[in-house]
Amino acid sequence: DTGVSQDPRHKITKRGQNVTFRCDPISEHNRLYWYRQTLGQGPEFLTYFQNEAQLEKSRLLSDRFSAERPKGSFSTLEIQRTEQGDSAMYLCASSPVGSYNEQFFGPGTRLTVL
Amino acid sequence: DAKTTQPTSMDCAEGRAANLPCNHSTISGNEYVYWYRQIHSQGPQYIIHGLKNNETNEMASLIITEDRKSSTLILPHATLRDTAVYYCIVTSNFGNEKLTFGTGTRLTIIP
Repeated sequence: DTGVSQDPRHKITKRGQNVTFRCDPISEHNRLYWYRQTLGQGPEFLTYFQNEAQLEKSRLLSDRFSAERPKGSFSTLEIQRTEQGDSAMYLCASSPVGSYNEQFFGPGTRLTVL
Repeated sequence: DAKTTQPTSMDCAEGRAANLPCNHSTISGNEYVYWYRQIHSQGPQYIIHGLKNNETNEMASLIITEDRKSSTLILPHATLRDTAVYYCIVTSNFGNEKLTFGTGTRLTIIP
């Protein structure tokens, strides 16, 4: 399967712990996006990369959140000192050059903070 | 990006055409209409997009009114696998790098 993959699919953690999620985009896609989705809502944009450069960050992305895409391939999203309000589905998407709004989404990582 | 308005939920009988409306009265000249859907426990999936002409692909048809203030996504022969939340998104194809999702329409296909 050559789609977008995310790992882990589910993560349960205690408040105050750090968590890291990984996203592997479709190989020829140079743009990678992170979104967050809470129950009953549509996905909300967090940040995006073009190759290894992080070009935009949402105000939703507090100082506890950091994302990287070190070699322009896979990306990681880290949440430090997790809070219960961080519980959500974290979605990754990628898109090819010239079709940036046709984004291919992964299955998401569901985070539960106890 | 222009704001969109969609019904919260709709039902459609299996095998019939599902017509999902979207209002986007503040759309500007360079903004496209995109449709995505999200099946339960999966990430969103791109369906189709258009600027002003009607569009058709293997998944659906998109009908945009002449004034571009509204559009309809048509699933010609709905199956149970089409049960999902459908999002209508209006966005420019230039310099706009993020999708702004609303709450969408929850479409339920009835056997």
